[in-house]
Amino acid sequence: AQTVTQSQPEMSVQEAETVTLSCTYDTSESDYYLFWYKQPPSRQMILVIRQEAYKQQNATENRFSVNFQKAAKSFSLKISDSQLGDAAMYFCAYRSVDREYGNKLVFGAGTILRVKS
Amino acid sequence: EADIYQTPRYLVIGTGKKITLECSQTMGHDKMYWYQQDPGMELHLIHYSYGVNSTEKGDLSSESTVSRIRTEHFPLTLESARPSHTSQYLCASSEFYGGNEQFFGPGTRLTVL
Repeated sequence: AQTVTQSQPEMSVQEAETVTLSCTYDTSESDYYLFWYKQPPSRQMILVIRQEAYKQQNATENRFSVNFQKAAKSFSLKISDSQLGDAAMYFCAYRSVDREYGNKLVFGAGTILRVKS
Repeated sequence: EADIYQTPRYLVIGTGKKITLECSQTMGHDKMYWYQQDPGMELHLIHYSYGVNSTEKGDLSSESTVSRIRTEHFPLTLESARPSHTSQYLCASSEFYGGNEQFFGPGTRLTVL
């Protein structure tokens, strides 16, 4: 079974600075998807960024980028120019391409990101 | 606008009551999911469905049940609520194929007294 580990329960960043959230995972599969989701306080969970394992290029979405190290099974999220609206719980998630597992996501425990003004 | 809806957003009830948490999506997605999330903790899959008349139990054992009679509707029912059921319940949906994201509803925060 796949597992996802987020070793940082909580992180803080100064507004306009850069922060990196860590995520490692364990799998025996060679092809899969990885996601970062954001859950603001009392608000809907939304997708931040997605990475397909067969793509070597790191995904980027505006101020959000990932450092995908497939051999190390590492998938960190970098947030540049942090804004107050970035404050949220961030979840790393894994999805197998094996139809046996369907579209089920395996989530990490989450990292609370606090942004200081 | 295509979206995923959950009602109620907050529910406080007494032990032993039967409750149904509603989830509807207007995105035409075949797959739907229910997750349980304790405050500040990770999400655990409790039920999922690949389409009408398809329901499966998730990775976390749950006393709740689900039904999928219509594509857009995936309600979750607790026959007899207990304090141990106090949690947040999140509904999500996705397309059938591909690595497309799961779209989440706003959640129902359930408190059983």
